[in-house]
Amino acid sequence: KAGVTQTPRYLIKTRGQQVTLSCSPISGHRSVSWYQQTPGQGLQFLFEYFSETQRNKGNFPGRFSGRQFSNSRSEMNVSTLELGDSALYLCASSPSGTSGNQETQYFGPGTRLLVL
Amino acid sequence: QQQVKQSPQSLIVQKGGISIINCAYENTAFDYFPWYQQFPGKGPALLIAIRPDVSEKKEGRFTISFNKSAKQFSLHIMDSQPGDSATYFCAARSYQLTFGKGTKLSVIP
Repeated sequence: KAGVTQTPRYLIKTRGQQVTLSCSPISGHRSVSWYQQTPGQGLQFLFEYFSETQRNKGNFPGRFSGRQFSNSRSEMNVSTLELGDSALYLCASSPSGTSGNQETQYFGPGTRLLVL
Repeated sequence: QQQVKQSPQSLIVQKGGISIINCAYENTAFDYFPWYQQFPGKGPALLIAIRPDVSEKKEGRFTISFNKSAKQFSLHIMDSQPGDSATYFCAARSYQLTFGKGTKLSVIP
């Protein structure tokens, strides 16, 4: 099975712009979660989508949004970019994202965003 | 706020030695405790995981020890190899994964 893929891998934007990142989960996986990774804050949960619905959300401002399509592919959007948004954005997929089943989340390679 | 505290921040171990990374948590709702390994330029990859009803789990050179009463768990890497040099993250899951800040392990020959 192909792993989680993320595009683009690298991105440079300027302050005030917006950006859209894409994630294709492992085939058959219906849950997609997004994380932001920075040297200072580590890995922080952004949100989780399941069956095209946002199921859980982390503590990030409304500038961060996402969506999921019927084929489980997900996009994440950041509007009005700030310098502090420079980070590695990771996508992870799991079959259903059910905590009770203790499912493993499989991570993609990430999209490295640099905001100038 | 859910937190997972990880230590040390960095670790240097000689080849063949034992690497030990510790994590502590507060939220008793966590029911799954995975460890991830991340190499530069890659996403985290699941290394080993444990449930809170088990005190120890071993997979090859990697062992998780879990102390439910103390709300602590640790990763032991036996016979550490230079190829183990990476950043290791502990995590705890309720409805989302909450990660520790990571430990950068360097195994020197």
